[in-house]
Amino acid sequence: AQSVTQLDSQVPVFEEAPVELRCNYSSSVSVYLFWYVQYPNQGLQLLLKYLSGSTLVKGINGFEAEFNKSQTSFHLRKPSVHISDTAEYFCAVTRTGANNLFFGTGTRLTVIP
Amino acid sequence: DGGITQSPKYLFRKEGQNVTLSCEQNLNHDAMYWYRQDPGQGLRLIYYSQIVNDFQKGDIAEGYSVSREKKESFPLTVTSAQKNPTAFYLCASTGSYTEAFFGQGTRLTVV
Repeated sequence: AQSVTQLDSQVPVFEEAPVELRCNYSSSVSVYLFWYVQYPNQGLQLLLKYLSGSTLVKGINGFEAEFNKSQTSFHLRKPSVHISDTAEYFCAVTRTGANNLFFGTGTRLTVIP
Repeated sequence: DGGITQSPKYLFRKEGQNVTLSCEQNLNHDAMYWYRQDPGQGLRLIYYSQIVNDFQKGDIAEGYSVSREKKESFPLTVTSAQKNPTAFYLCASTGSYTEAFFGQGTRLTVV
């Protein structure tokens, strides 16, 4: 079975500073990996996804993530955050060829002016 | 515009009352899901359906029921057996080899 661990439940960071949100997964088979963002009282929006190919994936709003198979990680990064990046971020994994997603417990990013 | 529509956005339930949350998608996706979200607990899977007329329990199915009579629709009923139903409920769908698309959620409050 797949599982996802997001070690940091809350991450405060000053505006224009870099940020990394950590995600580790466990799976014995090939996986697809995703990062979603949730703004207050809204559904989840896809930030980026890794299906295959280049391990560095670029997404919307200047975010990127790197798939590291040996460390089973898929950390999300942004070189300079904005106030508007304040939100909850979820990492998710699914086995290749499967439909059901497994989510982490989320990381609340707070950008401080 | 393709997407997932959840209704209502806000819902109030009295003690002992059953309520039904609507989820409709026009993405032609086979699989649909219901998640419950509580503060600090992430998303917990209630039920999912991979195909019409078939659905499976997730991690927290007790006190909930679903149906999947049409590909486009996956309503969730919160029954009186669910003792702590106040939460944010999210519906999602996936096609083959793609990411999940989410509705905007329904916030259910017991009054």
